[in-house]
Amino acid sequence: DAKTTQPPSMDCAEGRAANLPCNHSTISGNEYVYWYRQIHSQGPQYIIHGLKNNETNEMASLIITEDRKSSTLILPHATLRDTAVYYCIVRPNNAGNMLTFGGGTRLMVKP
Amino acid sequence: AAGVIQSPRHLIKEKRETATLKCYPIPRHDTVYWYQQGPGQDPQFLISFYEKMQSDKGSIPDRFSAQQFSDYHSELNMSSLELGDSALYFCASSLGGRGNTEAFFGQGTRLTVV
Repeated sequence: DAKTTQPPSMDCAEGRAANLPCNHSTISGNEYVYWYRQIHSQGPQYIIHGLKNNETNEMASLIITEDRKSSTLILPHATLRDTAVYYCIVRPNNAGNMLTFGGGTRLMVKP
Repeated sequence: AAGVIQSPRHLIKEKRETATLKCYPIPRHDTVYWYQQGPGQDPQFLISFYEKMQSDKGSIPDRFSAQQFSDYHSELNMSSLELGDSALYFCASSLGGRGNTEAFFGQGTRLTVV
């Protein structure tokens, strides 16, 4: 899987948008960008994934740059319950969910 | 909606004992994954099963074994437990094996080895 780089921590004010960046400059053509988060001691939670087009669901938006070397996860209106570690994971289409968690961003949403 | 069920939620064992963790996937999901998360660490992939066959193997110790049964539930068997096996163990399930689908995680089993 391609290596990803995320900032170790970020703060966000409650009600504001949280923009979490991820660098994946060695991504190859068949690799998808996945985002998961883990709220303290709970099971990781799937958020969103994409290949090259921007994606949006009820939880978040995923913006992938045209060259696919980086992406941004956007939580449009962060709440205190969004405080978690966010993982950006790059993996091939046929790799199943043998996910490599590492180097995520600890997002702290503050009142 | 039904989620992934793991049992027990908490387990305390002594060194050299054996433990069995159970995972019941979301109905109709055919693929299960096991992850281990030590204190202060990121989850690490152990092993996965698709349609009752082992599909991928990660950093699972030889003392551990797992299987998926005909009803798709899975069990992780851990023998000769060591203090370092104390961790959260997560099971996840998905549909379609290695296809491009998301995994749904259970709430985990916290194993403490004393």
